[in-house]
Amino acid sequence: GDSVTQMEGPVTLSEEAFLTINCTYTATGYPSLFWYVQYPGEGLQLLLKATKADDKGSNKGFEATYRKETTSFHLEKGSVQVSDSAVYFCALKDYGQNFVFGPGTRLSVLP
Amino acid sequence: SAVISQKPSRDICQRGTSLTIQCQVDSQVTMMFWYRQQPGQSLTLIATANQGSEATYESGFVIDKFPISRPNLTFSTLTVSNMSPEDSSIYLCSVETDYGYTFGSGTRLTVV
Repeated sequence: GDSVTQMEGPVTLSEEAFLTINCTYTATGYPSLFWYVQYPGEGLQLLLKATKADDKGSNKGFEATYRKETTSFHLEKGSVQVSDSAVYFCALKDYGQNFVFGPGTRLSVLP
Repeated sequence: SAVISQKPSRDICQRGTSLTIQCQVDSQVTMMFWYRQQPGQSLTLIATANQGSEATYESGFVIDKFPISRPNLTFSTLTVSNMSPEDSSIYLCSVETDYGYTFGSGTRLTVV
């Protein structure tokens, strides 16, 4: 079945550092790909998404590009802030199927 | 996108009791989804709730333990029955919107 793999955390960075969180997937169809963020004590919020190959999702300085050839959807941000500290979930959804979430990557940004 | 109000936001319950979690959406939606997030883990789908029909449960989840109601297109409840400490988790509802899937803020349940 479909699956999502993320880099293990926790990831600890200094403020203004460059962030990459790797995400790769396996799917039988042509899924949409998502990044969700969960701030401490809160539910999940959609951060960005891409629905087809070569699409780039972006929001709040975060970007991710749907790479079909490498089955990847890596999350990047050029300069992280303390307020970006959260758990980030990569997810996919194939047509007619349920969501499949990765295990999550905890990010801590230090001032 | 849809706005979801989920309550309670957290509760501490005695083992053997039941807790009902409510999810209210500000627009009509066909399907609502209930997830469980165990401590330090990712989300697992419990069931899908359609209005006017019985919920569809994923493998490992049964209606007796997690009864779901879906009385109309904007509201659903999930009950965690006969709780044990293993049920301590965050429970989230979710709906599909034009942009993607929106999640409630979650109910953090601790069973003692």
